[in-house]
Amino acid sequence: AQSVTQLGSHVSVSEGALVLLRCNYSSSVPPYLFWYVQYPNQGLQLLLKYTTGATLVKGINGFEAEFKKSETSFHLTKPSAHMSDAAEYFCAVWGNEKLTFGTGTRLTIIP
Amino acid sequence: DGGITQSPKYLFRKEGQNVTLSCEQNLNHDAMYWYRQDPGQGLRLIYYSQIVNDFQKGDIAEGYSVSREKKESFPLTVTSAQKNPTAFYLCASITATGGAFYGYTFGSGTRLTVV
Repeated sequence: AQSVTQLGSHVSVSEGALVLLRCNYSSSVPPYLFWYVQYPNQGLQLLLKYTTGATLVKGINGFEAEFKKSETSFHLTKPSAHMSDAAEYFCAVWGNEKLTFGTGTRLTIIP
Repeated sequence: DGGITQSPKYLFRKEGQNVTLSCEQNLNHDAMYWYRQDPGQGLRLIYYSQIVNDFQKGDIAEGYSVSREKKESFPLTVTSAQKNPTAFYLCASITATGGAFYGYTFGSGTRLTVV
């Protein structure tokens, strides 16, 4: 069965600093991987996805993620944090006709 | 605009009562899902349905029931058998063949509180 592990339930960065949110996956087949963002009391919005092809994936709001098969990782990064990036972020993997989500990382931006 | 509508946004229930959460989509998606979200636990799958009149249990189906009489609608009933129903509930949908490539479209959620 597919699964994802998000390291760090809370991450704080200063405004303008690099954002790095970690996700490792476990999958017996080539994985389809996703990052979602959730603002308070709202649904989840797709940030980016990796299916096939280029391993560096660019998404919305300046985020990107790199699929590294050798490390079974799909970490999310953004070069310069903005106050509006404060939210909860979920990594997910597709398998058995459904998405399986990590436990989430809450990102706080320090002014 | 196409999307998924969950209603109500906030719901209060007395202990021992059943309550039904609505999820409607006009995306012509085939599959629909219900997840429960609790702090620190991520999203856990309750039920999902890939076609009308058929559905499967997820990881935490006990105390919940669903129906799929129409392609557009997938209501979730939280029964009195659910011991800890206070949570944020999210509905999602995908096309039949697009899930792996496109991922889910989510509704805006219903926050259920037992009082």
